[in-house]
Amino acid sequence: DAGVIQSPRHEVTEMGQEVTLRCKPISGHNSLFWYRQTMMRGLELLIYFNNNVPIDDSGMPEDRFSAKMPNASFSTLKIQPSEPRDSAVYFCASRGTSGSPGETQYFGPGTRLLVL
Amino acid sequence: KQEVTQIPAALSVPEGENLVLNCSFTDSAIYNLQWFRQDPGKGLTSLLLIQSSQREQTSGRLNASLDKSSGRSTLYIAASQPGDSATYLCAVEGRSNTGKLIFGQGTTLQVKP
Repeated sequence: DAGVIQSPRHEVTEMGQEVTLRCKPISGHNSLFWYRQTMMRGLELLIYFNNNVPIDDSGMPEDRFSAKMPNASFSTLKIQPSEPRDSAVYFCASRGTSGSPGETQYFGPGTRLLVL
Repeated sequence: KQEVTQIPAALSVPEGENLVLNCSFTDSAIYNLQWFRQDPGKGLTSLLLIQSSQREQTSGRLNASLDKSSGRSTLYIAASQPGDSATYLCAVEGRSNTGKLIFGQGTTLQVKP
């Protein structure tokens, strides 16, 4: 398996522009997680989905952020309009279906976002 | 609210040394605790996962322990190597099997040849 795939790997944009980050989870996994990592705040969970349904979006910082999972193999995280403080590395992770307490998450390589 | 703390924030050791990384959490009602490794510019890789009913897990030169009552976990690395240089992150999953992880800030380890 190719693992969790994220695109783009790097994104530089100007303040006010719309940014769309993409994620393809590992085939067969039914949970998907979006995280943001910054030096100041570390790694924070933004939102997660089970079976394509958003379960908890309490970590989404503002209404400018939205996430969708139209099917089991694709998810997007959108920022509109973007601001310089959104600059961070955004990770997507997926997890399998066993439901056991021994189930780990598999992380993608991340998207490094810089908003000028 | 669950908080996870890792000490030290950074560590530099000579090759071959045994070392211990520490993780503490404020709410002992956890589902599991995981240790991840992150290399610069890369994603996270799971190293060890300890279920709430377990005391420790081992993988090669790595051993992780869990003491729920005191809210602590340690990651022991034996005979450290330069290839172990990375950031190590501790994460706890709350009371139920949601997959919702709370991460510590990490310990950045440098192993000098």
